Amino acid sequence: NAGVTQTPKFQVLKTGQSMTLQCAQDMNHEYMSWYRQDPGMGLRLIHYSVGAGITDQGEVPNGYNVSRSTTEDFPLRLLSAAPSQTSVYFCASSSGGREDTQYFGPGTRLTVL
Amino acid sequence: LAKTTQPISMDSYEGQEVNITCSHNNIATNDYITWYQQFPSQGPRFIIQGYKTKVTNEVASLFIPADRKSSTLSLPRVSLSDTAVYYCLVVIYNQGGKLIFGQGTELSVKP
Repeated sequence: NAGVTQTPKFQVLKTGQSMTLQCAQDMNHEYMSWYRQDPGMGLRLIHYSVGAGITDQGEVPNGYNVSRSTTEDFPLRLLSAAPSQTSVYFCASSSGGREDTQYFGPGTRLTVL
Repeated sequence: LAKTTQPISMDSYEGQEVNITCSHNNIATNDYITWYQQFPSQGPRFIIQGYKTKVTNEVASLFIPADRKSSTLSLPRVSLSDTAVYYCLVVIYNQGGKLIFGQGTELSVKP
């Protein structure tokens, strides 16, 4: 049981490039989310999903796309990278319900030049 | 979603009990109070969650007064490894994935 996995761990992009951050979970969780964390700040919600085929926007969705074709995977796409998207990105999953503990992945550190 | 306010930083020494208080004045009836811990270069980790009164697990205790407008995370006998950022969150029941993080409290434990 690997929990929540994210790839890559590190990535450097040039302005205008596109890429996909991968997130997978093997706990059969319905809920999955993407957060970004800038230096010295708390996490901010980008997009989330309450099940396969269902996604919604969080606090800071601009410049990012998501899709959820399977329960296990929730990729985050940067369409045209900008320096303001330099951050650490965390993916999380949870089963919902009363306890609704979120399990976070190890993060992807992204630098946009 | 209810906004939370907690101290930016706290210092402590090994072996002491640490209490971090969080205020959440506009918490709603169905909301839960949840605390996460984050070490540098890692994702946050769930510590404890509660609705009212007191909850205790192997890591911490959570005290919530009757009006639920604040809560206190209590870490008994901290060690150097408890140095981390602690986030207080108000979570809407069954709103999985919609965590709103504040700035957190940076706890520094000294020898």
